[in-house]
Amino acid sequence: GESVGLHLPTLSVQEGDNSIINCAYSNSASDYFIWYKQESGKGPQFIIDIRSNMDKRQGQRVTVLLNKTVKHLSLQIAATQPGDSAVYFCAEWDGGATNKLIFGTGTLLAVQP
Amino acid sequence: NAGVTQTPKFRVLKTGQSMTLLCAQDMNHEYMYWYRQDPGMGLRLIHYSVGEGTTAKGEVPDGYNVSRLKKQNFLLGLESAAPSQTSVYFCASSRPGQGNYGYTFGSGTRLTVV
Repeated sequence: GESVGLHLPTLSVQEGDNSIINCAYSNSASDYFIWYKQESGKGPQFIIDIRSNMDKRQGQRVTVLLNKTVKHLSLQIAATQPGDSAVYFCAEWDGGATNKLIFGTGTLLAVQP
Repeated sequence: NAGVTQTPKFRVLKTGQSMTLLCAQDMNHEYMYWYRQDPGMGLRLIHYSVGEGTTAKGEVPDGYNVSRLKKQNFLLGLESAAPSQTSVYFCASSRPGQGNYGYTFGSGTRLTVV
């Protein structure tokens, strides 16, 4: 079946470094992807999205890259800060009328001071 | 705007007890969802609704029931709680068709069944 997964369950970085969180997806027909951030004790929050007709999209300190050839998605966080410590999920839109998102299991980003 | 509000935030139940989790959204979203989140398993869809008066089963519906009598509210019921239902429950809503298919999530309900 269709699935969304993450390569690394935990990523530890030094404050000020850049972070890269990866995600693999299996449905080559998917045309919309989202990254969510979930801080401890809170619900997931939308960070950035990207459509399949794009390779790259930038937000504030975050960039999402999409490689459709290898079905890979990544989230880059520039100058990582302690406030970036959280679990990051990628999600894949199923494209159906029910608007279901398929979530990965998440990567924990730990920022070391 | 409050967004998506879940009540209660925490609850401890004894096995066999029943309870209802309430989700309310003030964004006029058509679609609403209930997920459970367990360590190492990510978010799993329990039930969802694509409009007032409609509900459908998700990935893990057993042991749960839902109702969407009003557009802004989506209720999740546990008729006879079991320890396997110990989890964090998240409600989400969305309004597809405007180019953004993302969800807005509530802050969660942490449920422990003993």
